[in-house]
Amino acid sequence: GAVVSQHPSWVICKSGTSVKIECRSLDFQATTMFWYRQFPKQSLMLMATSNEGSKATYEQGVEKDKFLINHASLTLSTLTVTSAHPEDSSFYICSASAGGGPVEKLFFGSGTQLSVL
Amino acid sequence: QQQVKQSPQSLIVQKGGISIINCAYENTAFDYFPWYQQFPGKGPALLIAIRPDVSEKKEGRFTISFNKSAKQFSLHIMDSQPGDSATYFCAASMSVNTGFQKLVFGTGTRLLVSP
Repeated sequence: GAVVSQHPSWVICKSGTSVKIECRSLDFQATTMFWYRQFPKQSLMLMATSNEGSKATYEQGVEKDKFLINHASLTLSTLTVTSAHPEDSSFYICSASAGGGPVEKLFFGSGTQLSVL
Repeated sequence: QQQVKQSPQSLIVQKGGISIINCAYENTAFDYFPWYQQFPGKGPALLIAIRPDVSEKKEGRFTISFNKSAKQFSLHIMDSQPGDSATYFCAASMSVNTGFQKLVFGTGTRLLVSP
């Protein structure tokens, strides 16, 4: 099946620094990628939808200036957490659609555990 | 209306038993209902999915039952195995005007299958 690679798998950073998370579709082109956030023992919450070549669409309550999303190519989307604070510590997961839309062909990365000290 | 309610929050089943997880939704615009399995520290993986024109779908030990009138659907895991111990999320999807389909996840069920 299709593979979505997410890097790094975990990162620890100091408060106030920025962290970049990469999401790559390895064997398919993804015009749309999604970014989720998951707190311990909780569900996945959609943060934003990333479209190649255009601005991301953010969900209500998600700060676009804090969570910068760039979808520069059909195989790469990045999420940058700017000026990270301890409350940003969470598990971040990306997903990519192999069919350009159908959720049946939606594949998830392995996630990135962010810990902000 | 965008929520998908999932129960139970946690479940312990003996090896060989049947695990049953239930979900309910309100928005009749949802047209696709997948179940995802997630192991600790990993992203979710699609397990099985159903569309509302079908009342049941079976794939191996996993079965989805769908009740459109009640707006409920459930996952049954037959002959549960310790390797099935994971967190299970139901989800619902609907098409949006940009063309892609947006997933709404349930709150998750932590399943533990005891040996």
